[in-house]
Amino acid sequence: DAGVIQSPRHEVTEMGQEVTLRCKPISGHDYLFWYRQTMMRGLELLIYFNNNVPIDDSGMPEDRFSAKMPNASFSTLKIQPSEPRDSAVYFCASSVSAGYNEQFFGPGTRLTVL
Amino acid sequence: GIQVEQSPPDLILQEGANSTLRCNFSDSVNNLQWFHQNPWGQLINLFYIPSGTKQNGRLSATTVATERYSLLYISSSQTTDSGVYFCAVVRYGGSQGNLIFGKGTKLSVKP
Repeated sequence: DAGVIQSPRHEVTEMGQEVTLRCKPISGHDYLFWYRQTMMRGLELLIYFNNNVPIDDSGMPEDRFSAKMPNASFSTLKIQPSEPRDSAVYFCASSVSAGYNEQFFGPGTRLTVL
Repeated sequence: GIQVEQSPPDLILQEGANSTLRCNFSDSVNNLQWFHQNPWGQLINLFYIPSGTKQNGRLSATTVATERYSLLYISSSQTTDSGVYFCAVVRYGGSQGNLIFGKGTKLSVKP
């Protein structure tokens, strides 16, 4: 199994630009999670999906952030416009079910907004 | 929400030493996982252990769910064990399926 795949691994952009992060979950996993890691706040949930439907987006910081899951094998997290405070590592994770099964994480995307 | 506290926050060991990392949580949990974040930033799954004891090579973990804590044991530590160890839980019975992470234990193993 290839595991959770994320792209790009590193992204450097300028303030005001649109950023799109991509994730391919493990095949057969019905749940997909987006987490963000910062020095100040640690690892925290942004949004998660069940069977391509957003279940909880309470962690999305503001309207500049949006996430979609058009099919079972692909999700995107978009930031428009980006700001320097968005600089962080963004992780995607997937699991067979929420809460009762192990979650597996992708390698993360390190985002730097100048 | 549920609180996850890890101790110690920092740990420095000589290669070959043993260590115990602790994770306390404030409510019943469905899921508890231990991760190792290596120096390259990758989160490596170590254990899925909502209760009981598991072992994998030099690492083992025990979760006592009724007392709301989990322990991660590292024996004969190696320099490659360096990094940050995270404990993360999913609260029992909650509508949330996401993991709540502790702040981590930063381990440095010296040669």
